[in-house]
Amino acid sequence: LAKTTQPISMDSYEGQEVNITCSHNNIATNDYITWYQQFPSQGPRFIIQGYKTKVTNEVASLFIPADRKSSTLSLPRVSLSDTAVYYCLVGDIGTGAGTALIFGKGTTLSVSS
Amino acid sequence: EPEVTQTPSHQVTQMGQEVILRCVPISNHLYFYWYRQILGQKVEFLVSFYNNEISEKSEIFDDQFSVERPDGSNFTLKIRSTKLEDSAMYFCASSRTGAGANVLTFGAGSRLTVL
Repeated sequence: LAKTTQPISMDSYEGQEVNITCSHNNIATNDYITWYQQFPSQGPRFIIQGYKTKVTNEVASLFIPADRKSSTLSLPRVSLSDTAVYYCLVGDIGTGAGTALIFGKGTTLSVSS
Repeated sequence: EPEVTQTPSHQVTQMGQEVILRCVPISNHLYFYWYRQILGQKVEFLVSFYNNEISEKSEIFDDQFSVERPDGSNFTLKIRSTKLEDSAMYFCASSRTGAGANVLTFGAGSRLTVL
């Protein structure tokens, strides 16, 4: 599995756009990029997944450049409730049994009013 | 929205006691996982389970741990003889297909406190 590197922490204010970048220099051809969000004392929650270019859903956008060696999670107009840890994970399609998702330390986003 | 259900939400036990944590994965999911998170630390992979057998396990998942799918709906994690360092939040997850590109749905967790 490709190793990922992301900032340990970020601070923002309500209403701002937040961009969290993740480096994954050793990403393989079959690897997808997935972001999870975790609130204190809760399980991680899927946010968004992509393979290349841009993906957008109701929560976030994911930008992936052509070389796929990095990706950027974009959260538009954050609110206090977006304060959480954000994890970038890279894993392959997997044909079955157990390509375990390994979590790094993630990025702790703190949103202030 | 389908969810993964875990029980108990919190369990306190004495060191050396056996503990069973229970999970009900999403009904059409085929892959099941246990992760743990010690307070203030990262989410750590323990084990994945598919087709009634362990697919992968980490170094943490030693002989004190076991998993079982005793019926068509439950997925359990047993810790045979708990240690103080087993105190953590334990998360069950499930996915429709193998991990990686596929999305894991996590439960709310079971907090285990070993005294």
